[in-house]
Amino acid sequence: GAGVSQSPSNKVTEKGKDVELRCDPISGHTALYWYRQSLGQGLEFLIYFQGNSAPDKSGLPSDRFSAERTGGSVSTLTIQRTQQEDSAVYLCASSKRRSPNTIYFGEGSWLTVV
Amino acid sequence: TQLLEQSPQFLSIQEGENLTVYCNSSSVFSSLQWYRQEPGEGPVLLVTVVTGGEVKKLKRLTFQFGDARKDSSLHITAAQPGDTGLYLCAGENSGYALNFGKGTSLLVTP
Repeated sequence: GAGVSQSPSNKVTEKGKDVELRCDPISGHTALYWYRQSLGQGLEFLIYFQGNSAPDKSGLPSDRFSAERTGGSVSTLTIQRTQQEDSAVYLCASSKRRSPNTIYFGEGSWLTVV
Repeated sequence: TQLLEQSPQFLSIQEGENLTVYCNSSSVFSSLQWYRQEPGEGPVLLVTVVTGGEVKKLKRLTFQFGDARKDSSLHITAAQPGDTGLYLCAGENSGYALNFGKGTSLLVTP
């Protein structure tokens, strides 16, 4: 597609349930990023993929969070046993990984844990 | 993690006024980018500055990268309601992910 596509755009889930968030990056973009945006907290880096590899997972908040990328394209962010503090907008972005590294964002997945 | 401090956090002005938003860090960046985010949408890139002292203009918006490549400013002339949004600066260093500031929330009222 022309831009970064994320789904679902909105998700309400019960505490303790697992959720999967999907990201389809811009075609040809080798780098893919997940950020989390909470109210008043700015953008928090979660994980970066170069191809299918994730060189740095240190931004993931806990072991309940995991992410994978297959075929150098689509990525899935999974949150297990969701907690209320996981409520946020999860933003995916992609880039060609050149310098300057211009990244392009999707519209985000708004997660609400009740 | 290099911290980017943005100021002010919130700004409410009337249409036609001028304003400046600041983005400061103690770290040197190879590039700095400004994004604008509107409610319910992802951030959209406005500009990338690379060279110390660089000035870029985008219609009524003027962006400047500090000489030492540690800070940047965004100046809006004659603000309009369409300029309302969250303005985010992001710095790139030798790593791979951009480091974002918390943003400046701008409201321009008619």
